[in-house]
Amino acid sequence: DIQMTQSPSSLSASVGDRVTITCRASQSISHYLNWYQQKPGKAPQLLIYAASSLQSGVPSRFSGRGSGTDFTLTIGSLQPEDFATYYCQQSYSTPPFTFGPGTKVESK
Amino acid sequence: EVQEVESGGVVVRPGGSLRLSCAASGFTFEDYPMHWVRQTLGKGLEWVSLISWDGSSTYYADSVQGRFTISRDNSKNSLYLQMNSLRTEDIALYYCAKEIKDCSAGSCYRYFDFWGQGTLVSVSS
Repeated sequence: DIQMTQSPSSLSASVGDRVTITCRASQSISHYLNWYQQKPGKAPQLLIYAASSLQSGVPSRFSGRGSGTDFTLTIGSLQPEDFATYYCQQSYSTPPFTFGPGTKVESK
Repeated sequence: EVQEVESGGVVVRPGGSLRLSCAASGFTFEDYPMHWVRQTLGKGLEWVSLISWDGSSTYYADSVQGRFTISRDNSKNSLYLQMNSLRTEDIALYYCAKEIKDCSAGSCYRYFDFWGQGTLVSVSS
């Protein structure tokens, strides 16, 4: 099975900061990479699919890049509602639909 | 409005059984594959199981293979997860999730566009 890792596991940032989260796959997954946001007590919500396609309704400050094994999620200007945990997920070799361990974005 | 409402989560003893349900609305349920994903408290997400739109194909994580059974009733817009031989490591919040398979760009990309609110399963003696 493909394994997913994320870095950092957590980060502290301020409103207005540019934030970048990295996700790495244990083997090439082309562009088959999704990003989800989860706020405390809530279900995950899809942000980006196919590595860089923004889900409908998601603010344009969120962007995704990458292919192969290395991917990034960038929040262009962090907003108060963006403090959450972010997960990547591979959909290249499925099942299983493996998730990364998550990156928690906290307020500095 | 798309909604997926899970139910059935309770406290069970190790070795016990439980059936989770997910009632879907706001979309044509029978058109979509559906998944169960679980999240251990304070930890990450683990994909559990997938069922095709018509129920003819099912897939499981190694950790639940042979103990859990996914099913659906399209006439009732409902998804189920029969959980047998429960273990303490099955303690988690269980989500149902709707899959989208998007083939518009030449390749087919799969992702979960809507999730239920989750139902908590506890295993304790």
